[in-house]
Amino acid sequence: GENVEQHPSTLSVQEGDSAVIKCTYSDSASNYFPWYKQELGKRPQLIIDIRSNVGEKKDQRIAVTLNKTAKHFSLHITETQPEDSAVYFCARRASNTGKLIFGQGTTLQVKP
Amino acid sequence: DAEITQSPRHKITETGRQVTLACHQTWNHNNMFWYRQDLGHGLRLIHYSYGVQDTNKGEVSDGYSVSRSNTEDLPLTLESAASSQTSVYFCASSDFSGASSSTDTQYFGPGTRLTVL
Repeated sequence: GENVEQHPSTLSVQEGDSAVIKCTYSDSASNYFPWYKQELGKRPQLIIDIRSNVGEKKDQRIAVTLNKTAKHFSLHITETQPEDSAVYFCARRASNTGKLIFGQGTTLQVKP
Repeated sequence: DAEITQSPRHKITETGRQVTLACHQTWNHNNMFWYRQDLGHGLRLIHYSYGVQDTNKGEVSDGYSVSRSNTEDLPLTLESAASSQTSVYFCASSDFSGASSSTDTQYFGPGTRLTVL
């Protein structure tokens, strides 16, 4: 179907620990997978994205991995900090369309 | 700087009234989208447009309409507001133009919090 399944729905970690959020999809035509961070009361903002021709992408403490065969992709945050606390959304875009289908979000809490 | 704006930022209305939420972008993007955000449901697509005079229904389009008369604006109209339409509404835009496009990013507006009493 069209949906993107995102897990876990909530995640609590200690400052300095790593956090991993996983999303699965079923549409094999999907070719673009962005991750958005939404702080309380703010708009979603893109933090990292990956295309289907790449297996992994890193940007400082954030990385995204994609397994096309298994149809899942994950967000990895290392050395978490309190300012990483937010809701994170994964999304997928099917080939040749401009629309994104979002997961239901993960609320990440980083405890100092 | 280019941006995407929404107005009003907060709106309280009564059941049965017609409400229009404005979205304006200065990115010159062809694609514009309306989402609603509710607890437990993430971001759900209401309507979207790939260009002037083009509009398409998303997954939760019932009770909503849009029109695209120029590149910059995609107003969202609630024909007869219902309490179930109480939500936060986000507009977004992107410059995606096809499978080979190198520009995919959707940029979101600041949101409109709508309460229907």
